[in-house]
Amino acid sequence: GEDVEQSLFLSVREGDSSVINCTYTDSSSTYLYWYKQEPGAGLQLLTYIFSNMDMKQDQRLTVLLNKKDKHLSLRIADTQTGDSAIYFCAEMEPSSNTGKLIFGQGTTLQVKP
Amino acid sequence: NAGVMQNPRHLVRRRGQEARLRCSPMKGHSHVYWYRQLPEEGLKFMVYLQKENIIDESGMPKERFSAEFPKEGPSILRIQQVVRGDSAAYFCASSTQTGDIQYFGAGTRLSVL
Repeated sequence: GEDVEQSLFLSVREGDSSVINCTYTDSSSTYLYWYKQEPGAGLQLLTYIFSNMDMKQDQRLTVLLNKKDKHLSLRIADTQTGDSAIYFCAEMEPSSNTGKLIFGQGTTLQVKP
Repeated sequence: NAGVMQNPRHLVRRRGQEARLRCSPMKGHSHVYWYRQLPEEGLKFMVYLQKENIIDESGMPKERFSAEFPKEGPSILRIQQVVRGDSAAYFCASSTQTGDIQYFGAGTRLSVL
């Protein structure tokens, strides 16, 4: 089966680190993605990780992948008010060979000044 | 290099009318995906098209919904005889090839009165 789960809400103070977690069920997924959606806007690709990697860092963003536990996390260092948005984890469905994405329900990040 | 362009951004229809949503992929992209986002939910895959071909429509409702991606012009998602339950944000994404990174448009928000 295919199901991507995320916690629905996270609140942090400006300057703190945020950690958004995601679990997925298909261990053969090759690519896992993090997208950001601001109110009324489309999805912005933040970062992605290939399944043969454990970690990927890109400026303030760190992605950790634990394949054994099928757990993916996104850490945002020095969180700013502009980071307030909904964050979606997505996996590329490997069984279909079409590249379609399976999304979690999204985590709303609230950053308090 | 323009991104994925969707129009209209907002569309209001009365029950029973038709809705036509357009998507122009990024330059050089020949693969288009349509996703639907119901209120407070993540995105759900609907259909995957390449030029002039529907490759995977497993997420598309069997009735009233159709999609095309002609040789010339944008991809069209068509919803006939809309009902209130069709109210959602419809996102288009494009990629250069199957399994490559998908870039999303800003979406069309359909409201059915």
